[in-house]
Amino acid sequence: DQQVKQNSPSLSVQEGRISILNCDYTNSMFDYFLWYKKYPAEGPTFLISISSIKDKNEDGRFTVFLNKSAKHLSLHIVPSQPGDSAVYFCAASERKDLYNTDKLIFGTGTRLQVFP
Amino acid sequence: DTGVSQNPRHKITKRGQNVTFRCDPISEHNRLYWYRQTLGQGPEFLTYFQNEAQLEKSRLLSDRFSAERPKGSFSTLEIQRTEQGDSAMYLCATTGRADNEQFFGPGTRLTVL
Repeated sequence: DQQVKQNSPSLSVQEGRISILNCDYTNSMFDYFLWYKKYPAEGPTFLISISSIKDKNEDGRFTVFLNKSAKHLSLHIVPSQPGDSAVYFCAASERKDLYNTDKLIFGTGTRLQVFP
Repeated sequence: DTGVSQNPRHKITKRGQNVTFRCDPISEHNRLYWYRQTLGQGPEFLTYFQNEAQLEKSRLLSDRFSAERPKGSFSTLEIQRTEQGDSAMYLCATTGRADNEQFFGPGTRLTVL
């Protein structure tokens, strides 16, 4: 049961253009969402997050949009740079699960390639 | 470097051997998580500690797996009688707050021959 889905395994974007990465979820109890970036042989690096009480959060070139009715979120990167080339993971957590764990449920990732 | 550290970074072992991994959290982070990532998948939750208490274990954590966090500082993850299916990247993450991002270590890549 894949509660967090990233249906695009890869995305290729030209430098300077916008990159849009999408994520869908099925668990209506999720109330906190995060995006992580991962290079090969490294652990995931936190990028940006959003609480379910918001529909947009912006940090520099990165903006995350949340559509709760559609159970969909997206990450926009503008402008895209070659250094953004990596695998991007969407993750979600329930604020107060049974054990107050806040464990993250990850999607399968989208490989972004930004070419010159 | 004050980030999360994990040792060893790579481990190659033969099937049936025991292995132990270590995670050193960011100081003062009282919440520690172990995840496992296999090829083509996102990280999957294994277990969670708040201070020294292990509060949740995933069904992925079979009885061959055991994790500890003595004194609420570093944590160890041991796998007994390793199987080829245990080959994966084992990631540790920590946070000091209940509703914020988790900081990941570089991971330990386990290969079981």
